[in-house]
Amino acid sequence: GIQVEQSPPDLILQEGANSTLRCNFSDSVNNLQWFHQNPWGQLINLFYIPSGTKQNGRLSATTVATERYSLLYISSSQTTDSGVYFCAVNSGGSNYKLTFGKGTLLTVNP
Amino acid sequence: NAGVTQTPKFQVLKTGQSMTLQCAQDMNHEYMSWYRQDPGMGLRLIHYSVGAGITDQGEVPNGYNVSRSTTEDFPLRLLSAAPSQTSVYFCASSYVWRDRGHGYTFGSGTRLTVV
Repeated sequence: GIQVEQSPPDLILQEGANSTLRCNFSDSVNNLQWFHQNPWGQLINLFYIPSGTKQNGRLSATTVATERYSLLYISSSQTTDSGVYFCAVNSGGSNYKLTFGKGTLLTVNP
Repeated sequence: NAGVTQTPKFQVLKTGQSMTLQCAQDMNHEYMSWYRQDPGMGLRLIHYSVGAGITDQGEVPNGYNVSRSTTEDFPLRLLSAAPSQTSVYFCASSYVWRDRGHGYTFGSGTRLTVV
């Protein structure tokens, strides 16, 4: 099956800093999602982005499908951005069958 | 609008016991799925459903059963609990918006411990 690798595994920032999280995948995809899991375990869907660029406030994401990677940018980070960020993809069959990466644990210190 | 509701939030089972994790959504989403999350790992798909009466296996289906008799409900049954099924379980419902693509709403999770 498709492989999903996220980097870095851990990231510690001071409030106000910017960061880039990366997701590499091993096959072409027809569905790519970014999720945020807060410290209390709640999962929030951030972006659906199988290709192109999207922005939502301080967060933006870019997927270069031909090169099989996606980037999540967090600008002016806040303590509430802390948590685990997951990339998840689907490469065939039902678009709803997602394969998740292991995530990037982000800690934003005040 | 409650979204996706999972019950219970916590459960301790003895090896060999059976139980059902409940999942209900009130958004009229056709697609629902169950994932498990283990320490240091991402989520892994157990079973999913593309509509009432239709279910299929995901990546780690062994030891679990599902059914989808209504659009709203998608229960997950553990047939004979094993310590390897100790995990956090998440239910999700999914939708397709014409201009925004696929979206997912997750429940708050069920933390299951099998002793």
